[in-house]
Amino acid sequence: ETGVTQSPTHLIKTRGQQVTLRCSSQSGHNTVSWYQQALGQGPQFIFQYYREEENGRGNFPPRFSGLQFPNYSSELNVNALELDDSALYLCASSSGAWDEQFFGPGTRLTVL
Amino acid sequence: AQTVTQSQPEMSVQEAETVTLSCTYDTSESDYYLFWYKQPPSRQMILVIRQEAYKQQNATENRFSVNFQKAAKSFSLKISDSQLGDAAMYFCAYRDPFTGGFKTIFGAGTRLFVKA
Repeated sequence: ETGVTQSPTHLIKTRGQQVTLRCSSQSGHNTVSWYQQALGQGPQFIFQYYREEENGRGNFPPRFSGLQFPNYSSELNVNALELDDSALYLCASSSGAWDEQFFGPGTRLTVL
Repeated sequence: AQTVTQSQPEMSVQEAETVTLSCTYDTSESDYYLFWYKQPPSRQMILVIRQEAYKQQNATENRFSVNFQKAAKSFSLKISDSQLGDAAMYFCAYRDPFTGGFKTIFGAGTRLFVKA
């Protein structure tokens, strides 16, 4: 059974650019949640996708958007990058919206 | 709004000893879930233990146990017989099905050092 994977591992962008982060959910999971973890802080919920639909959203601006595909993998897109977007981005998959979440290793995004 | 507070930025324990990490939370809900997650240097968040608020009995998982005090809104994690591999960031987290959708709210974390 393959766990949650994320790509890329690290990414460096400049302010104003756009970025796409990818997450492959664990086999059998139909729900993916995305979190932003700034340095020295706990993760903050961005949004959740359940069966290709956004199922809940945290306090993040619309320039944070996502997609979930029929195979339940997911993308997080961030437009007009700001310096404060520098963080570790975690995705977590689960077999249902309320089931145990399994986290990926994260993507470290640095915005210069 | 729900909040989770971890008042200990860092803790240290001697190998084989016991350590307790503190967590308090604020909510007006009566039914919710509480979690402790471990994040080692590899960054992958791992669920350590989970507690349902309607259950009076404290959850245990091998060397890990919690002290859940619902009235005091306190949820501490006790690690017994500490091992070098326990060194990591530990996050307390809250989730409820009624407010805030499906988000999990995390505390700021406690970094645990284990001394050989």
